[in-house]
Amino acid sequence: EDQVTQSPEALRLQEGESSSLNCSYTVSGLRGLFWYRQDPGKGPEFLFTLYSAGEEKEKERLKATLTKKESFLHITAPKPEDSATYLCAPGGQGGKLIFGQGTELSVKP
Amino acid sequence: DAMVIQNPRYQVTQFGKPVTLSCSQTLNHNVMYWYQQKSSQAPKLLFHYYDKDFNNEADTPDNFQSRRPNTSFCFLDIRSPGLGDAAMYLCATSRDLGTGEYIQYFGAGTRLSVL
Repeated sequence: EDQVTQSPEALRLQEGESSSLNCSYTVSGLRGLFWYRQDPGKGPEFLFTLYSAGEEKEKERLKATLTKKESFLHITAPKPEDSATYLCAPGGQGGKLIFGQGTELSVKP
Repeated sequence: DAMVIQNPRYQVTQFGKPVTLSCSQTLNHNVMYWYQQKSSQAPKLLFHYYDKDFNNEADTPDNFQSRRPNTSFCFLDIRSPGLGDAAMYLCATSRDLGTGEYIQYFGAGTRLSVL
């Protein structure tokens, strides 16, 4: 059975305090690993897709990395506007996304 | 800007009263999806259309139906809403499925309340 686990469930950081979010997965026939950002009361916003182990992608203060069983979302020197829930979603059979529960990030000034 | 638009943003209905949520897209994508997301939970796929082909998830209740009259529009019908159906409903689109370009782009969602 396909499974996705994100940790931690919630993360509180001070502005400028770098950290990482983890996504562990067991998915047969993996077709990409997707990261989304979701603000309260809004739909998920696409951030990155990673397709192969060792691949990295960056966008502003965010960097996503991928291994065969995990993906990390590294946040460098975060700002309050980075506060959101970050969702990890491996792509499974037929291109369906298997969403994790998300990590709720709060960055305090 | 090209995008996925959901209407209304907020919908209040009564227990058992049918309700329809709508989604439109200007991305000209082949695939449209409907998800249900309850508070602090992951989005749960209800069904999707690939062009006109409808694909229902095995655990989607019969109470939920969908229509896609053309490429741009897709509707979610809840025939007899129960209290447990109160949730955020998300529409998403992708160009393709499983191969090629299948990044999913989401609308802002419709928050459904059932009284």
